[in-house]
Amino acid sequence: DAKTTQPTSMDCAEGRAANLPCNHSTISGNEYVYWYRQIHSQGPQYIIHGLKNNETNEMASLIITEDRKSSTLILPHATLRDTAVYYCIVRVENNDMRFGAGTRLTVKP
Amino acid sequence: NAGVTQTPKFQVLKTGQSMTLQCAQDMNHEYMSWYRQDPGMGLRLIHYSVGAGITDQGEVPNGYNVSRSTTEDFPLRLLSAAPSQTSVYFCASSRWTGYNSPLHFGNGTRLTVT
Repeated sequence: DAKTTQPTSMDCAEGRAANLPCNHSTISGNEYVYWYRQIHSQGPQYIIHGLKNNETNEMASLIITEDRKSSTLILPHATLRDTAVYYCIVRVENNDMRFGAGTRLTVKP
Repeated sequence: NAGVTQTPKFQVLKTGQSMTLQCAQDMNHEYMSWYRQDPGMGLRLIHYSVGAGITDQGEVPNGYNVSRSTTEDFPLRLLSAAPSQTSVYFCASSRWTGYNSPLHFGNGTRLTVT
């Protein structure tokens, strides 16, 4: 199974872009990269996913390197409500989402 | 759409009691699953189902039973609760089984076993 590595914590100023990195050097050719976030003890919230092309939706952008060994989640204009734990996950075959420790993002005024 | 709905939100049980955690989704999703989340452990898969009448075990299935008689519902049963089952439980669903299908989570059931 592909493993992911994320920084433990990051800070971001309100209104600035938050760039959250993730390494997934053992990803295989048909595995997607997913990003979720979890605010307090709520259920994980789906943000975005991609295979090899960059993706954008109303919440965020996902940039995947050409070799697919790493990716970056971009929140273009972070708000205080974006303070959460962000998880980068590589989907395994039986749909199991292996959530690691994630990155604790703190958006500061 | 309500999405994935879990009930109850909170539950306290005594050791040895049984209960059922309810999960329902109104998105006509084929795939449903149960996770538990413990401090420092991340989310761990308990059981999952790829369609009505089909269930399988995940990473930590012991002490839990599931069934999937309809597409919409996927209840999780604790037959004889133990303190080690104190956790937050999340139900999730996705449109189909496969790499390109996001999981959508409910807001959880916080269970305490005394």
